[in-house]
Amino acid sequence: DQQVKQNSPSLSVQEGRISILNCDYTNSMFDYFLWYKKYPAEGPTFLISISSIKDKNEDGRFTVFLNKSAKHLSLHIVPSQPGDSAVYFCAASSLYTGTASKLTFGTGTRLQVTL
Amino acid sequence: DGGITQSPKYLFRKEGQNVTLSCEQNLNHDAMYWYRQDPGQGLRLIYYSQIVNDFQKGDIAEGYSVSREKKESFPLTVTSAQKNPTAFYLCASKEGRRTEAFFGQGTRLTVV
Repeated sequence: DQQVKQNSPSLSVQEGRISILNCDYTNSMFDYFLWYKKYPAEGPTFLISISSIKDKNEDGRFTVFLNKSAKHLSLHIVPSQPGDSAVYFCAASSLYTGTASKLTFGTGTRLQVTL
Repeated sequence: DGGITQSPKYLFRKEGQNVTLSCEQNLNHDAMYWYRQDPGQGLRLIYYSQIVNDFQKGDIAEGYSVSREKKESFPLTVTSAQKNPTAFYLCASKEGRRTEAFFGQGTRLTVV
């Protein structure tokens, strides 16, 4: 049972344009959402997060939007740069699980930014 | 420099052998995690630990074992009971009530 879904395995965007990566979740107990970026043969690095009490969080070129009623979040990257080419994972957690706060990950979307 | 160190980066073992993957952190984080990545399946939780001498099974714990004798260390043993051990293994740690976990560089285990 995939509780966090990233339905687009890959995305190709031209440099300078906007990249939009999508994520859906099914568990209503999730109240915190994160995006990670991962290069091949490396560990994921934390990008940006959002609490369920917000609908938008912005950090430089990265903005995450949360639509709780639709159980959907998206990551916008503007403008996209070649160095953004990587696999992006959406993750969710529930603060009700205590300090361990397990992260449940989606299957990832491979973003390729072309020149 | 503070961080999470996984060793070795590449590991080869014969089928039927147990193998232990190392994970050390000097971030003073209480919680530590082991994830496994397979192509097209994202990251799946194997085991996690909130404090020393305590750990819980994740979603795919069968064929794995862990220990948490020190705050800094959370080694993962892949036993011969694990049916498909070849994968990329990632260790992570987290501070207190913060929700973002920080990952090591991973260990790619290949069983031949």
